[in-house]
Amino acid sequence: EAQVTQNPRYLITVTGKKLTVTCSQNMNHEYMSWYRQDPGLGLRQIYYSMNVEVTDKGDVPEGYKVSRKEKRNFPLILESPSPNQTSLYFCASSFYSSGTDTQYFGPGTRLTVL
Amino acid sequence: GNSVTQMEGPVTLSEEAFLTINCTYTATGYPSLFWYVQYPGEGLQLLLKATKADDKGSNKGFEATYRKETTSFHLEKGSVQVSDSAVYFCARKTGANNLFFGTGTRLTVIP
Repeated sequence: EAQVTQNPRYLITVTGKKLTVTCSQNMNHEYMSWYRQDPGLGLRQIYYSMNVEVTDKGDVPEGYKVSRKEKRNFPLILESPSPNQTSLYFCASSFYSSGTDTQYFGPGTRLTVL
Repeated sequence: GNSVTQMEGPVTLSEEAFLTINCTYTATGYPSLFWYVQYPGEGLQLLLKATKADDKGSNKGFEATYRKETTSFHLEKGSVQVSDSAVYFCARKTGANNLFFGTGTRLTVIP
C-alpha cells in the first residue's frame, strides 16, 4: 500500500531534550516536506526537500533541522525543543515533475513540549 | 506575495444543505490551486485541484472553479452529508512544488 508513515504518532517531552520525528514514504517520490498545524494558522511549511541531499527552508524553519540521506526518509530533528514547538506535525511527499502532482500526507505527529 | 484567504469557520449545516466555502488568493500569474480535506484524526487528502484559469476541479460531488477575474477558488457542494464533516483547506502552489495553505474551515454536518 502506497503511504507516508510518521513515528511517533504522539510524543510528550520536556524543554531541551533532543528528539527526532521520522517520516518515510514508499512511493519513490522525489519531493518531501514538513508542515506544522496550529489552530487559526493552518499549515505552515517548515522545511522541504526536492531530492536526496537537497533541502531548503520553508516559512517557519527556526528551531528545526532536517536531513535527506535516502530518498524514502526525511526526518525532522528538534535539537532543543521549546514549548512553542508544541504542535501537530505532518510530513508530505510527491513526485516532482510538473509541480502540480498530488502531495500525500502522513497521519500526523502530535508533539507536546513541557 | 503568497496569500490564501479562506472563509472563517466553523460552518454548521444540516444534511442535504448547499455548501460554499470561499477562498481567494493573491498571486502574480496563475498558480495551481487546490482543496485539501482533513477528516478527524487523519492527515490531509487532496480533494480537487485546478491548474489553470477557468479550470473546474471536481471530486466526490465537490466542485471549485478557478476564476482569475476574482482571484477565487470557492468550494461548493450541492447536498452535503454527515460524512463530509471535516476541515477543508484551500492552497496555492508556490515555487518548486511547495503549497501555501489557508487557515482551514471546519465543517460540521448534522443529520
